[in-house]
Amino acid sequence: SQKIEQNSEALNIQEGKTATLTCNYTNYSPAYLQWYRQDPGRGPVFLLLIRENEKEKRKERLKVTFDTTLKQSLFHITASQPADSATYLCALPGGYSTLTFGKGTMLLVSP
Amino acid sequence: GAGVSQSPSNKVTEKGKDVELRCDPISGHTALYWYRQSLGQGLEFLIYFQGNSAPDKSGLPSDRFSAERTGGSVSTLTIQRTQQEDSAVYLCASSSLAVPGELFFGEGSRLTVL
Repeated sequence: SQKIEQNSEALNIQEGKTATLTCNYTNYSPAYLQWYRQDPGRGPVFLLLIRENEKEKRKERLKVTFDTTLKQSLFHITASQPADSATYLCALPGGYSTLTFGKGTMLLVSP
Repeated sequence: GAGVSQSPSNKVTEKGKDVELRCDPISGHTALYWYRQSLGQGLEFLIYFQGNSAPDKSGLPSDRFSAERTGGSVSTLTIQRTQQEDSAVYLCASSSLAVPGELFFGEGSRLTVL
């Protein structure tokens, strides 16, 4: 089965800087990879999906890269804001159309 | 409704009691998933439904856990003889096959077993 590794330590950055979060996986390279945002006491919310044949995907201030050689995805938030503070989850397809999630990395953006 | 609805939002029960958690997915979504999230932990897959059938029950932690889905819509997750280690947030998600894998989550049901 797929093992997903995300940095368990919270990432603290200052407002306006670029936040970069890492997702590493073992075993087979997935057909796609997803990123979700989760706020305390809420369910995860889908942000971006990137396919194996895409190197980079952008959505507003978000950018995701997918390196199947390194078995790694990077998630960037440019011009970060305190409202971006949340836990960010990486997810890869498992069996039977399910998704396997990493434990997530908490991002804290200070004013 | 516009999103995935879960009830109850909070449930406190005594050890040994049975509980039922309900999920009402987005209308038209054929796939439905249950996950569990314990404090400080990641999302743990429990069960997946496609329509009314469950091709993947591999995540159910024990035979005390069961789930059903009727009419291709509402699903109920039942935990019998609850134990303290069952305390967690139970998250339901639904998905349309038109978008591969993107899951729409409810706000979860927080279960506390005393």
